[in-house]
Amino acid sequence: NSKVIQTPRYLVKGQGQKAKMRCIPEKGHPVVFWYQQNKNNEFKFLINFQNQEVLQQIDMTEKRFSAECPSNSPCSLEIQSSEAGDSALYLCASSLRTGGFYEQYFGPGTRLTVL
Amino acid sequence: GDSVTQTEGPVTVSESESLIINCTYSATSIAYPNLFWYVRYPGEGLQLLLKVITAGQKGSSRGFEATYNKETTSFHLQKASVQESDSAVYYCALGDTGKLTFGDGTVLTVKP
Repeated sequence: NSKVIQTPRYLVKGQGQKAKMRCIPEKGHPVVFWYQQNKNNEFKFLINFQNQEVLQQIDMTEKRFSAECPSNSPCSLEIQSSEAGDSALYLCASSLRTGGFYEQYFGPGTRLTVL
Repeated sequence: GDSVTQTEGPVTVSESESLIINCTYSATSIAYPNLFWYVRYPGEGLQLLLKVITAGQKGSSRGFEATYNKETTSFHLQKASVQESDSAVYYCALGDTGKLTFGDGTVLTVKP
């Protein structure tokens, strides 16, 4: 069973508000991923880190989304100004190594609702 | 970009019947991606069911199996005899150099 911890489990924000969620990866996993799963069950990769460094990110992440994985602190994903379309399940996953064949262990997710 | 297409659900089968959930992929970022099936049981998080990293190989777990077919770019999930506890949402995914690209999921309900 995965030991990726995500908080909070549920988050409700008004449009224009900041929304911040956190993730503690499995112990010993230096690689962290953030995905967004929308109401149609579609997944979208947002960003990934190895230790504190960004490896890949999509354009959406560069504009209103910010993320970091500081040393000895939880990783975080923050939406600077929430929009209705941001309502989704945000999943954090961690992995032992980069490389597509290494298993990613997922947390339970943070469900964001933007009113 | 990469994409994954899988059987649209919901799929309903009776206990002890056989199951196949189709999955086809298109990989533009890597010639031979790694292929995965993830599962989300009711009330639980997403977890890996099985993976295959070499074309032509078969992966298996919990009675499920899937074969990586690079000719047909497919990775269908099969089980000879399903159980009620297999009711879940199944996701086919491909991995390139890091991130996963998922299909939209197939909701499986197994009737007792």
